[in-house]
Amino acid sequence: GQSLEQPSEVTAVEGAIVQINCTYQTSGFYGLSWYQQHDGGAPTFLSYNALDGLEETGRFSSFLSRSDSYGYLLLQELQMKDSASYFCAVRDNAGNMLTFGGGTRLMVKP
Amino acid sequence: NAGVTQTPKFQVLKTGQSMTLQCAQDMNHNSMYWYRQDPGMGLRLIYYSASEGTTDKGEVPNGYNVSRLNKREFSLRLESAAPSQTSVYFCASSERGGSSGANVLTFGAGSRLTVL
Repeated sequence: GQSLEQPSEVTAVEGAIVQINCTYQTSGFYGLSWYQQHDGGAPTFLSYNALDGLEETGRFSSFLSRSDSYGYLLLQELQMKDSASYFCAVRDNAGNMLTFGGGTRLMVKP
Repeated sequence: NAGVTQTPKFQVLKTGQSMTLQCAQDMNHNSMYWYRQDPGMGLRLIYYSASEGTTDKGEVPNGYNVSRLNKREFSLRLESAAPSQTSVYFCASSERGGSSGANVLTFGAGSRLTVL
């Protein structure tokens, strides 16, 4: 099976940079994904890493180290609208099931 | 561009009642999923359908059944609702497993279910 660990809560100020870590255990690995969910809303896809290294999408970047079973989501130039929950997720070795971590609640303060 | 549509958005049931949550996607995706999310927690997979005609159990399948009616539609049924099934249910779809697009799930808006 799969298990993922991420911090439950992170607080940062507007304009700052924040990193949300994710460690995973999985019997097979088909990539690490990140999703954002605002309160009362549905999760939306942010990024995906299949290979080691950094993927950048605007203010958001995601990093993966397969040898360490570790990844992180980096949010730069934080804005109030970035206050949300962020979930990492891995796909199983058959490539069918996507398992989510418990989520990190990010609070951005003025 | 509707994406993934779920109905109903809200439902209140009494213990023992049955109901079906409907989900439809218009993105021609092969794979569809049902997740539940409890307050302050992550998403837990109930059932998924890797392709039309197949369904498989996820992490928390007990008390649920699913039907992949066709490529577009994937329904979730609670045969005898219990208070422990009070949750927000999300349907999602993606490209087929094994492709990079399989990691990009598109979610519906969610269905908030309360079982009294």
